[in-house]
Amino acid sequence: EVQLVESGGGLVKPGSSLKLSCVASGFTFSSYGMHWIRQAPKKGLEWIALIYYDSSNKYYADSVKGRFTISRDNSKNTLYLEMNSLRSEDTAMYYCAKRVVADYWGQGVMVTVSS
Amino acid sequence: DIVMTQAPLSVSVTPGESASISCRSSKSLLHSNGITYVYWYLQKPGKSPQLLIYRMSNLASGVPDRFSGSGSETDFTLKISRVEAEDVGIYYCGQLLENPYTFGAGTKLELK
Repeated sequence: EVQLVESGGGLVKPGSSLKLSCVASGFTFSSYGMHWIRQAPKKGLEWIALIYYDSSNKYYADSVKGRFTISRDNSKNTLYLEMNSLRSEDTAMYYCAKRVVADYWGQGVMVTVSS
Repeated sequence: DIVMTQAPLSVSVTPGESASISCRSSKSLLHSNGITYVYWYLQKPGKSPQLLIYRMSNLASGVPDRFSGSGSETDFTLKISRVEAEDVGIYYCGQLLENPYTFGAGTKLELK
């Protein structure tokens, strides 16, 4: 059974940093690209980053480019999102999703940026 | 960026009846390889989104065949025949042709 479990969220102040993790199981993690997609409270879905299976390519939404970094450790079956210079508009539920088609999503982790 | 426009934003359906949701893209989602890169997701209340349809018309694993996807290069439709209580939630179309990948605003389906 495919499982994606996010962690690392919380309440932080504007300008702070946070690192999210997504631990994968039930599939060959090293064979698939992975997304981070977020959802602000009561809002729709916003794609923010994609990393290829071998980390050879990484893509970002303009809203996070230069502040967020996606990475992965295939030996640990773990996807990461390092978030710097956090803003109030980054407040959202953050989901990791498997494959470019996003065929499985984690349960999400909440990030709240507020003073 | 490719803009995905969904209609209606909400729909109320009698159980057992059918429902259709439309999605329009601001650019053709038909790749030169013949694949149309539009996807449909359902977010049930309090849950994570789940994939329903991939590449415009292919049913994702475990999805009932009451769901179907169709369309052209820029106009797409998700049809749900014989709506059931478990179909309640917000439906999103999304394009995975080029980044930034984008989603529609969502269509909320509820039961009458």
